Amino acid sequence: SAVISQKPSRDICQRGTSLTIQCQVDSQVTMMFWYRQQPGQSLTLIATANQGSEATYESGFVIDKFPISRPNLTFSTLTVSNMSPEDSSIYLCSVEWVAGGREQYFGPGTRLTVT
Amino acid sequence: EDQVTQSPEALRLQEGESSSLNCSYTVSGLRGLFWYRQDPGKGPEFLFTLYSAGEEKEKERLKATLTKKESFLHITAPKPEDSATYLCAVQALDTGRRALTFGSGTRLQVQP
Repeated sequence: SAVISQKPSRDICQRGTSLTIQCQVDSQVTMMFWYRQQPGQSLTLIATANQGSEATYESGFVIDKFPISRPNLTFSTLTVSNMSPEDSSIYLCSVEWVAGGREQYFGPGTRLTVT
Repeated sequence: EDQVTQSPEALRLQEGESSSLNCSYTVSGLRGLFWYRQDPGKGPEFLFTLYSAGEEKEKERLKATLTKKESFLHITAPKPEDSATYLCAVQALDTGRRALTFGSGTRLQVQP
């Protein structure tokens, strides 16, 4: 299976600032995804990030608010820009593990609180 | 639009009391149905992927089954350490879309 790490694990940020979340995988993967999990809720897809192409965003999420980088096959970043308290959530990256039969594995998450 | 509905929302069992969790789905074409376990404050932990109706997979006290409209996660003789939220998700056959659509989860509590 793929082992995924995220940094930071948690942060408390002020309204109007930005935070960049890093996702590192121990193997090369083509497909990476970013999800948001609001308190007590299930997971909602923010965007799909493929290496070498622009990220594809879901309805309700825009690049200006959630810019994503995917510089290589093991790393991605998600930035939450101009934050408001409504952005307080857990942000999760996941990868599709082709060698394992296209299973999808998740990182431990980044718990963001905006004050 | 793909939809996933899980029931019940919450389930409380006594240790050793077997039960099943339900995941009903609507998808234009199913590439795979995924089950995850999520503990508080952690990312989802992969359990199973099912690809076709009639398929079954087992892991310790858990067994997942799949029909054309729903999946069941059977928990046999659960232990307190099985307490967690269980998430179901589908992956559609749409070309290029590999992300998952999740249900809202079932919160399982197993009491000793």
